[in-house]
Amino acid sequence: GENVEQHPSTLSVQEGDSAVIKCTYSDSASNYFPWYKQELGKGPQLIIDIRSNVGEKKDQRIAVTLNKTAKHFSLHITETQPEDSAVYFCAAILVFGAGTILRVKS
Amino acid sequence: NAGVTQTPKFQVLKTGQSMTLQCAQDMNHNSMYWYRQDPGMGLRLIYYSASEGTTDKGEVPNGYNVSRLNKREFSLRLESAAPSQTSVYFCASSEAWVSFSGANVLTFGAGSRLTVL
Repeated sequence: GENVEQHPSTLSVQEGDSAVIKCTYSDSASNYFPWYKQELGKGPQLIIDIRSNVGEKKDQRIAVTLNKTAKHFSLHITETQPEDSAVYFCAAILVFGAGTILRVKS
Repeated sequence: NAGVTQTPKFQVLKTGQSMTLQCAQDMNHNSMYWYRQDPGMGLRLIYYSASEGTTDKGEVPNGYNVSRLNKREFSLRLESAAPSQTSVYFCASSEAWVSFSGANVLTFGAGSRLTVL
């Protein structure tokens, strides 16, 4: 079955800096890669997703890139703000990575 | 609209006790899912229901049963709780089945924290 690895497990950045979270997947048939943000005490919420026929997608300060040949995809957050502090999960179809705790220091 | 509602939010059980986690969605979604979240392991799929009347095992189904009561409701039952089932459980729904042929956003509930002593 599908396996998703996510790195790093924790990430601390200074406010205004960029943050990058990387994921790899194992099943070349996977064609949908969402990213979810989970705030303390809440359920995960979709922030951006990408399909396999697209290499990059942007939404304001958030972007996702996909390299199907290498089977990896990444989340990029620019100009980080304290409210970006949360746990971020990548997924391939329905299989989730282990999560990244992002801390933005002001 | 409430979205996905889970009950209870917190529960403490003794080993061997049984309980049912309830989930209801008001978005007229066809597909529903149960995940568990454990530190360092992300979200793991327990069971899912691609459409009303169907249920299938996910990655970690042992020790659990599910019922798709109707289009709105999807319950998760622990028949004989074990300490290894201490976790936070999330119910989710999507408009259509998330499969290799299509993409659908999962909407999650707020979670149910279960402790088994």
